[in-house]
Amino acid sequence: SQTIHQWPATLVQPVGSPLSLECTVEGTSNPNLYWYRQAAGRGLQLLFYSVGIGQISSEVPQNLSASRPQDRQFILSSKKLLLSDSGFYLCAWSGQLNTGELFFGEGSRLTVL
Amino acid sequence: GENVEQHPSTLSVQEGDSAVIKCTYSDSASNYFPWYKQELGKRPQLIIDIRSNVGEKKDQRIAVTLNKTAKHFSLHITETQPEDSAVYFCAAPISGTYKYIFGTGTRLKVLA
Repeated sequence: SQTIHQWPATLVQPVGSPLSLECTVEGTSNPNLYWYRQAAGRGLQLLFYSVGIGQISSEVPQNLSASRPQDRQFILSSKKLLLSDSGFYLCAWSGQLNTGELFFGEGSRLTVL
Repeated sequence: GENVEQHPSTLSVQEGDSAVIKCTYSDSASNYFPWYKQELGKRPQLIIDIRSNVGEKKDQRIAVTLNKTAKHFSLHITETQPEDSAVYFCAAPISGTYKYIFGTGTRLKVLA
């Protein structure tokens, strides 16, 4: 069966520090991969999605970036965090052209101080 | 651009009553409509979905109805229980892309 792993689960970072969140999917090949952000008490904002290795589409201009170095690995990064980057970050995958279920990782809660 | 509107943003019901949450989408070519439940501090999880070739789908106490003409779909929860308290999100795909757009969420509180 397919599983999705995301880490770290929580982190507290100072403003201006770098960020790296990692997500891996097991049990499937060539998944579509997504990064969403959820501010406290708010909805899900799509940040990036990827349909293949090295293919990244950005939805929102910001100081975050994403990379997909391997088929089932998706990384969210920042060189310098802002206070506004705080939130709950969710990695997700789907196996089809957005006509099937979107499976979420357990999330990473980022607090920028 | 395409969007999904969800109402209400909060909903309180007495235990045992029914709850209905409605979403309206703009992309007339969308053909898949999931509903997710998110408990506090946890990831969203799919509870039910419907495809555009059917008008209704039921799974025990939850059901989803779809009106393609009006471009809206609704989540129905009957005989609500305290454990149904959570935030519920609807979503719809943007046709021809790999993207899903989510509604803004409904915080459901079931009062014992």
